[in-house]
Amino acid sequence: GAVVSQHPSRVICKSGTSVKIECRSLDFQATTMFWYRQFPKQSLMLMATSNEGSKATYEQGVEKDKFLINHASLTLSTLTVTSAHPEDSSFYICSARRGGGITDTQYFGPGTRLTVL
Amino acid sequence: AQSVTQPDIHITVSEGASLELRCNYSYGATPYLFWYVQSPGQGLQLLLKYFSGDTLVQGIKGFEAEFKRSQSSFNLRKPSVHWSDAAEYFCAVGTKAAGNKLTFGGGTRVLVKP
Repeated sequence: GAVVSQHPSRVICKSGTSVKIECRSLDFQATTMFWYRQFPKQSLMLMATSNEGSKATYEQGVEKDKFLINHASLTLSTLTVTSAHPEDSSFYICSARRGGGITDTQYFGPGTRLTVL
Repeated sequence: AQSVTQPDIHITVSEGASLELRCNYSYGATPYLFWYVQSPGQGLQLLLKYFSGDTLVQGIKGFEAEFKRSQSSFNLRKPSVHWSDAAEYFCAVGTKAAGNKLTFGGGTRVLVKP
């Protein structure tokens, strides 16, 4: 299957700082990328959907000014957690999909564990 | 709105025994259904999916799932589990009406006893 990478895999930061997480589709061009958040022992919650070259669409309750998403190319999307606070500590997972349809397979990255002190 | 329920949070099974993971969905029409497995340090991997047609679908790693419209279910099965099947399993539903996005169930953690 296709490969999606995330960097970094783990990050620890101080409260008030910003953290950028990268998501790359290594062997295919991703029209659509998704960002999820997973709390311990819980399911994945979709945060936002991004399409290359356009603004991300955020799910209800997700602060777009806090979680900045940039899908600058067909192989790279970034999530920046701005002014991070301890409650932002979580496991962030991205996925990438070639096309825009639900029948197109989503390939998931290994996740990034963010700890905010 | 679409939703997915996985009633079992944890399941412990002996190696070599059969495994069945339950998944129930809520949606007015037939949704697109998926099963993913999440292992530590790895991204979610697609096991199988159902869009239409034959209601019994075969996936990777010896898994299969059966879509039952009357029960709004899409249960995952494996006849004989291996220790490497210990992982977290997620059922997901997607619909065009919901913007081609996936909604995940709460997950079932499978533990395999030697």
